[in-house]
Amino acid sequence: AQSVTQPDIHITVSEGASLELRCNYSYGATPYLFWYVQSPGQGLQLLLKYFSGDTLVQGIKGFEAEFKRSQSSFNLRKPSVHWSDAAEYFCAVGARYNFNKFYFGSGTKLNVKP
Amino acid sequence: DAGVTQSPTHLIKTRGQQVTLRCSPKSGHDTVSWYQQALGQGPQFIFQYYEEEERQRGNFPDRFSGHQFPNYSSELNVNALLLGDSALYLCASSLAITPKETQYFGPGTRLLVL
Repeated sequence: AQSVTQPDIHITVSEGASLELRCNYSYGATPYLFWYVQSPGQGLQLLLKYFSGDTLVQGIKGFEAEFKRSQSSFNLRKPSVHWSDAAEYFCAVGARYNFNKFYFGSGTKLNVKP
Repeated sequence: DAGVTQSPTHLIKTRGQQVTLRCSPKSGHDTVSWYQQALGQGPQFIFQYYEEEERQRGNFPDRFSGHQFPNYSSELNVNALLLGDSALYLCASSLAITPKETQYFGPGTRLLVL
């Protein structure tokens, strides 16, 4: 069965510091992988997605993620965090045979210290 | 171009009642998926509609039902509400049930069951 684990429930970083949010997935084959961000009162906004090819994926707002098949991971990174990045981040996996049925992790809430 | 819209934004019901939530997809999108996001959790897939038919369903009881109209808008109905149905209900739209189509999420309807 497919599943997504985000081990960190809360993370606090200082503005300007680097960020890495962890995501591990369980899936029998190479999945489609996504990172979404959710701000309070907002819907989910897609940051980036991985389907195939280059394992380092660039997204919006300066985010990137790296797919590591051997570790079943798809960690999200940003070199310098801005206060506006404070939000909740969700990793999701979609099956190649059933793309629109996403499985989401439980999320990581990011706080940014001034 | 309007994105995904949902109504109402908030709703309060009592146990045993029935509720209907509405979703208008992004312009040009023909597929609508519904997700339930309980507090502190990631979204969970309820079901997906395409061509006015339910195409996929997650692990939700039959109390959860839906409909898609010819203009691609959709409704989610929940009967015999339970306290545990309190959650944020998210609608997502995409173009056809094909791989690599990005899902766009609405802001959600927050349902509180008392």
